[in-house]
Amino acid sequence: NAGVMQNPRHLVRRRGQEARLRCSPMKGHSHVYWYRQLPEEGLKFMVYLQKENIIDESGMPKERFSAEFPKEGPSILRIQQVVRGDSAAYFCASSPPPLRNEQYFGPGTRLTVT
Amino acid sequence: QQQVKQSPQSLIVQKGGISIINCAYENTAFDYFPWYQQFPGKGPALLIAIRPDVSEKKEGRFTISFNKSAKQFSLHIMDSQPGDSATYFCAAAVSGAGSYQLTFGKGTKLSVIP
Repeated sequence: NAGVMQNPRHLVRRRGQEARLRCSPMKGHSHVYWYRQLPEEGLKFMVYLQKENIIDESGMPKERFSAEFPKEGPSILRIQQVVRGDSAAYFCASSPPPLRNEQYFGPGTRLTVT
Repeated sequence: QQQVKQSPQSLIVQKGGISIINCAYENTAFDYFPWYQQFPGKGPALLIAIRPDVSEKKEGRFTISFNKSAKQFSLHIMDSQPGDSATYFCAAAVSGAGSYQLTFGKGTKLSVIP
């Protein structure tokens, strides 16, 4: 039973470029969460999605960031016009339908903006 | 406003000793309290979790103690081993509020020395 998969594991972007981070939840999980971790910090919630729906985006920056979880395919976190402050580890988690607090994390995507 | 405060920031324990990490929360609506273990370069792994209807939960060498009136909970690692050296995060969430987002503490870096 494969865990949560994220790709790429490492991503380098120049300032102003776009970053696309992908997340495939565990089999049977229909809820996806994105978190951001800055160095020496805990994880900060960004967005919670179900298939084709954004349920809670209260942690997402208002500009440049967007997320989707289409009917088919992985969830995508998109960061437009990246800036140095976007450099962080981005983690995706998934949970099974009846236990939405029980979140299992992927290995993360480490984004470096140069 | 930091809703979950975790201490200590770092901890050094001798092999075979007991590691104790503490967390305090402010939001009385929190009703799910998990602990995660994270190794360098990896995603957080769910270790153990508790709900406020019990004061203690034990799984192997890991025990969560929960004090609802004090709004505190702690992780005890018995017979600590060098392989336990990692960063530990406490978290809290509200169930049934539509979001299920986890609010994390800032982490404790545990080093178990032989």
